Amino acid sequence: DAMVIQNPRYQVTQFGKPVTLSCSQTLNHNVMYWYQQKSSQAPKLLFHYYDKDFNNEADTPDNFQSRRPNTSFCFLDIRSPGLGDAAMYLCATSRAAQSNQPQHFGDGTRLSIL
Amino acid sequence: AQSVTQLDSQVPVFEEAPVELRCNYSSSVSVYLFWYVQYPNQGLQLLLKYLSGSTLVKGINGFEAEFNKSQTSFHLRKPSVHISDTAEYFCAVSDLRDDKIIFGKGTRLHILP
Repeated sequence: DAMVIQNPRYQVTQFGKPVTLSCSQTLNHNVMYWYQQKSSQAPKLLFHYYDKDFNNEADTPDNFQSRRPNTSFCFLDIRSPGLGDAAMYLCATSRAAQSNQPQHFGDGTRLSIL
Repeated sequence: AQSVTQLDSQVPVFEEAPVELRCNYSSSVSVYLFWYVQYPNQGLQLLLKYLSGSTLVKGINGFEAEFNKSQTSFHLRKPSVHISDTAEYFCAVSDLRDDKIIFGKGTRLHILP
């Protein structure tokens, strides 16, 4: 089945130690999104790619970076994780960057900071 | 800018009873509306969407929602819930001006035996 896959499902890192989360998709969708979701809150959009065009949300901290080397893969890099960055990170895709397109989500990576 | 309000953070309901999860939105232009479900430790899954046409939208797992433009609402309903419906439900809105979806804060559905 075509899907969005996030690895790993659980990630533990130390305070200040860089960490990379990965996302891959077999849907061949043009748009990929990264969301941060804290407990009992709505997903918060960090940034998205339309093809190779990177779009950063205004309030996304500089500590968060992203790479999309090809259509299928997208990475979230956290350069110096703080305790406040502990959250579920969700990757999503959509066929096009149009507001009527639903998004397809992976199962997320839960990040813990020691 | 558009926004979404889910007034109920938690809704308890007995198994096989009907349920309604409320969603209100605000936008100055035409909108698209979505309901997503999130099961524990999983990502979000699309339940249903309203883009245009009939205001009553049927989705997966027996859920349906009704778009009410005058009341700016898009409430989610199910006539008879099951224990497997235990999850967090998110209402979301987007409009023609933007390529992003705005999510509500979510409603946790508790099914009581």
